[in-house]
Amino acid sequence: QQQVKQSPQSLIVQKGGISIINCAYENTAFDYFPWYQQFPGKGPALLIAIRPDVSEKKEGRFTISFNKSAKQFSLHIMDSQPGDSATYFCAAFSSGSARQLTFGSGTQLTVLP
Amino acid sequence: DGGITQSPKYLFRKEGQNVTLSCEQNLNHDAMYWYRQDPGQGLRLIYYSQIVNDFQKGDIAEGYSVSREKKESFPLTVTSAQKNPTAFYLCASKMTVNTEAFFGQGTRLTVV
Repeated sequence: QQQVKQSPQSLIVQKGGISIINCAYENTAFDYFPWYQQFPGKGPALLIAIRPDVSEKKEGRFTISFNKSAKQFSLHIMDSQPGDSATYFCAAFSSGSARQLTFGSGTQLTVLP
Repeated sequence: DGGITQSPKYLFRKEGQNVTLSCEQNLNHDAMYWYRQDPGQGLRLIYYSQIVNDFQKGDIAEGYSVSREKKESFPLTVTSAQKNPTAFYLCASKMTVNTEAFFGQGTRLTVV
């Protein structure tokens, strides 16, 4: 059962454009929502994360928007650069359970020069 | 440098062989995880361990085995019972009470 649904599967954006990736979750016990960035042949690295007590978090060009009532959150990459080309995973975690991070299926982002 | 080290980076296995993937962390993390990643797919949990000498099955544990004899080590054995083992394997760790998980650089296993 997929508990975190991520879209789109792939995304192509022009340099300087805005990249938007969306995720939706089902389990209301989730209380931590990280985004990971993965380059080919590498392990995922934490990019930015948010807790449900805030609606938005910004770090540089990366912003997470969070809608608790809709159980949705999204990653916005402003002024997208070719170096941002990677696979992005959203994830959800419950601090009450150490079992796992639940990952979305990933979005392959390509930023054209 | 603190971190998670996976080895080898590339591994080739013959049909019917067992192989063991190494994962070592010096972050003093309690919990460790093994994920499998197939092309264009998300991360699927194989096994996890919250404490030494204890581990739990994840969503796709069949054909895999693990041990946790030391806090810093969590090796994964891919057995001959795993019918489709070719994949990218990722190890992760975190403190139980904290939320951020750190990943190793992965091992790419190929059956030849």
